Amino acid sequence: DAGITQSPRYKITETGRQVTLMCHQTWSHSYMFWYRQDLGHGLRLIYYSAAADITDKGEVPDGYVVSRSKTENFPLTLESATRSQTSVYFCASTLRPDPGETQYFGPGTRLLVL
Amino acid sequence: EDQVTQSPEALRLQEGESSSLNCSYTVSGLRGLFWYRQDPGKGPEFLFTLYSAGEEKEKERLKATLTKKESFLHITAPKPEDSATYLCAVQAGGGATNKLIFGTGTLLAVQP
Repeated sequence: DAGITQSPRYKITETGRQVTLMCHQTWSHSYMFWYRQDLGHGLRLIYYSAAADITDKGEVPDGYVVSRSKTENFPLTLESATRSQTSVYFCASTLRPDPGETQYFGPGTRLLVL
Repeated sequence: EDQVTQSPEALRLQEGESSSLNCSYTVSGLRGLFWYRQDPGKGPEFLFTLYSAGEEKEKERLKATLTKKESFLHITAPKPEDSATYLCAVQAGGGATNKLIFGTGTLLAVQP
């Protein structure tokens, strides 16, 4: 089915391990985003990408790395996971940066860092 | 600093009992205000975009309105299936991106 998918949906890891969360969209949207959702904070932007090979930091980028070699994929890597990175991670995409352009979200990845 | 505040944090209604959710914002140059619905264990689902004060949009039992300082999501005669968390987000400022700033949401429970 067309849309935006994330994998894995659930992940348990240990402190210090590297973890990569995958995001794939089939709409050929130019812009892609990674958010984390925590109780009391709402959704906060980690990184975003305007196109392949173009990425930029959001509000909470520390401890995360992104890449975008293909338009449809936007992986998020935690190079050395910490307990504070336990969260629900959402990927989103949008076609253009125009005012009011809707962002469409994936189903999320629930990450637990022990 | 751009900021979005939603109230109440949680709301419990009886089926058929109409009410409103509030989203107040402080941003430099509003480009759009968005309402999303989020069900447990799922990603946010788009509901509405509002662009300017005075604008209203409707979808089934939901109606969103916008003023210069806040937006309301009115729920008329809600049903249990309207139970969800409702998120408000704003797109602000200039630049070639459409980054969103989210509020913390209102958890709505509609009891039969």
